[in-house]
Amino acid sequence: AQKVTQAQTEISVVEKEDVTLDCVYETRDTTYYLFWYKQPPSGELVFLIRRNSFDEQNEISGRYSWNFQKSTSSFNFTITASQVVDSAVYFCALSEIRNTPLVFGKGTRLSVIA
Amino acid sequence: GAVVSQHPSWVICKSGTSVKIECRSLDFQATTMFWYRQFPKQSLMLMATSNEGSKATYEQGVEKDKFLINHASLTLSTLTVTSAHPEDSSFYICSAGRGFGETQYFGPGTRLLVL
Repeated sequence: AQKVTQAQTEISVVEKEDVTLDCVYETRDTTYYLFWYKQPPSGELVFLIRRNSFDEQNEISGRYSWNFQKSTSSFNFTITASQVVDSAVYFCALSEIRNTPLVFGKGTRLSVIA
Repeated sequence: GAVVSQHPSWVICKSGTSVKIECRSLDFQATTMFWYRQFPKQSLMLMATSNEGSKATYEQGVEKDKFLINHASLTLSTLTVTSAHPEDSSFYICSAGRGFGETQYFGPGTRLLVL
């Protein structure tokens, strides 16, 4: 069965620090998708990235970067030069076969302090 | 990007009443939508999979008679919480995607408070 583990429950950093959110997943499928979502205090889930299991190339989008390593079943998320607006709960999620729902990790609550 | 709307965003109701929540995909057709429930400071818990033109598939432990799901069209799914009680108070979120491996887009959520 699939499982997503986000070991860090809460993280606090000072503004401008870099922070990495860990995500480890378990799946038996060779084809799967990994996601990161941001949930600010308003509650709405904001899509950040989708990565398929055949593409291990790391991705950078502005201050955000993702490190996908199949060998360790990890899909970590790094925010560089963090800002107060980055404060939110971040969820890592996994999707296996056709149109199945996402399996979420428990989330990491990030607090960026000015 | 794709947009999913939910209505209403906030509901306060008395115990025993029924509440209907709508989930719409605004710019794409979704044969499948998903309903999640989230308690404070917890992760999203899948409640059911809503399939257009057929019965919903409920997760273990979710009462299908309590949480009625109707997927009447390719752009609309509704969740009705019947005879709501205070323990049903939660944040309900729907999602929809175009297909396999496609990004699931989430609605803004509905906060339900049952008094």
